[in-house]
Amino acid sequence: DAGVTQSPTHLIKTRGQHVTLRCSPISGHKSVSWYQQVLGQGPQFIFQYYEKEERGRGNFPDRFSARQFPNYSSELNVNALLLGDSALYLCASSLVSRDGYEQYFGPGTRLTVT
Amino acid sequence: AQSVTQLDSQVPVFEEAPVELRCNYSSSVSVYLFWYVQYPNQGLQLLLKYLSGSTLVKSINGFEAEFNKSQTSFHLRKPSVHISDTAEYFCAVSPTGTASKLTFGTGTRLQVTL
Repeated sequence: DAGVTQSPTHLIKTRGQHVTLRCSPISGHKSVSWYQQVLGQGPQFIFQYYEKEERGRGNFPDRFSARQFPNYSSELNVNALLLGDSALYLCASSLVSRDGYEQYFGPGTRLTVT
Repeated sequence: AQSVTQLDSQVPVFEEAPVELRCNYSSSVSVYLFWYVQYPNQGLQLLLKYLSGSTLVKSINGFEAEFNKSQTSFHLRKPSVHISDTAEYFCAVSPTGTASKLTFGTGTRLQVTL
C-alpha cells in the first residue's frame, strides 16, 4: 500500500512569492494534518482537516491556508513568503477511529526561501 | 495547551550499550504520548505510543517507554543499541481523543558508534 505522498520534494522560492504544497493521504484516511519543521527543531502543528473541514489550526499567521478535497488530498498554501518560512513541511494522515490514534507522515517538502 | 521538553539534544552511545532518551511534558488535560523517529532526509515514523492501560509500552525493535503520570514523563529506553538506531527521536503529545494535533519536543539526536 502507498504511504502518504507529498509533492514537490524540494522547492526554492523568492521572498514575497506564493507556494502551494500538495499531499495525498493513505487510502481510507480522511484526516490530514500539516506540520512545519524548521531545521534543528521539532515539527509544529499548522492545520488539521477532516472531511474537508478545518478541525484545528496552530499558531501560524493568516498567510498560511489549506484545504482538503473530496478525495481527501490536501493543499497547503503560503502567501508572501518570508525567509523564516524555509522549512520541511510535513503532511500526515490518520484514521479517525478509536484505535486509529496515530499519524502516518509523508517524506515532506523541503521549502527554501531566498 | 501542551508542551514537551527533551532535555538532551544529543546522546552519544557505543553500540550494544543501553540508552535512555528523556521526555517530560506539561498539559492541563489528559494526553496521549508518542515517540517518533526520523532518519536523515526522511519523514517521521511512529516508534511507540501510550493511549491507555499498561504504562509500559514496547516497540517491535526493542525500544520501550514508560508513562509516569506523577512525574509527567515518558522516557524512551533500549537495553542494547545498534548502529542502525542512529537517528533523531521526537517525543510528542496530543489531547486524548485525537492524535491529529501533535505537540513535539525539540528532538534528541542519538548517535551510536562502534
